[in-house]
Amino acid sequence: AQSVTQLDSHVSVSEGTPVLLRCNYSSSYSPSLFWYVQHPNKGLQLLLKYTSAATLVKGINGFEAEFKKSETSFHLTKPSAHMSDAAEYFCVVRTGTASKLTFGTGTRLQVTL
Amino acid sequence: SAVISQKPSRDICQRGTSLTIQCQVDSQVTMMFWYRQQPGQSLTLIATANQGSEATYESGFVIDKFPISRPNLTFSTLTVSNMSPEDSSIYLCSVGDRGLNEQYFGPGTRLTVT
Repeated sequence: AQSVTQLDSHVSVSEGTPVLLRCNYSSSYSPSLFWYVQHPNKGLQLLLKYTSAATLVKGINGFEAEFKKSETSFHLTKPSAHMSDAAEYFCVVRTGTASKLTFGTGTRLQVTL
Repeated sequence: SAVISQKPSRDICQRGTSLTIQCQVDSQVTMMFWYRQQPGQSLTLIATANQGSEATYESGFVIDKFPISRPNLTFSTLTVSNMSPEDSSIYLCSVGDRGLNEQYFGPGTRLTVT
């Protein structure tokens, strides 16, 4: 069985400060991991993915995530938050060749002036 | 990436009725999926729509409630049958690329059942 746990349901940061959204996963096999972003009333957009290549993954809009097998973590970071980053972020796991995605419960990122 | 459209974008329906949601992709894809996102919650996979065969449903979802069609490699429909207020959700279609390394999501259909 596979699962993801997003440790924070809500994160608030000031514009220009670093962002850290935490995700831990559980998987019986080598996982593929993803971060998706959902802006209000918009569809889901893929931010980045890890599929057993480099453990530090760079995505769009300055986001990156590091796969740490020893910690079973895949935290999402960004050096400097922008107002436009305010959205819901989902950590997602897929195990092996199965097509099924398992979504975390989401983290709502709030960016304040 | 694939461009996915869904119709309708939103609807308000009365309990006991049914609504069919359409998903159109701009390219042929092997795998198509239907998800539900209940208010304030994460996404849950309803079923995998298989071209030329019956859909594969996840635990807790049944064909009588959520019949799915997949007549070709670019199109699928999901019907929400005999609706109740608990069916009020966003329903999203997604597709997988050839290597299933990514899934792309449609804009979703926001359903409200009164």
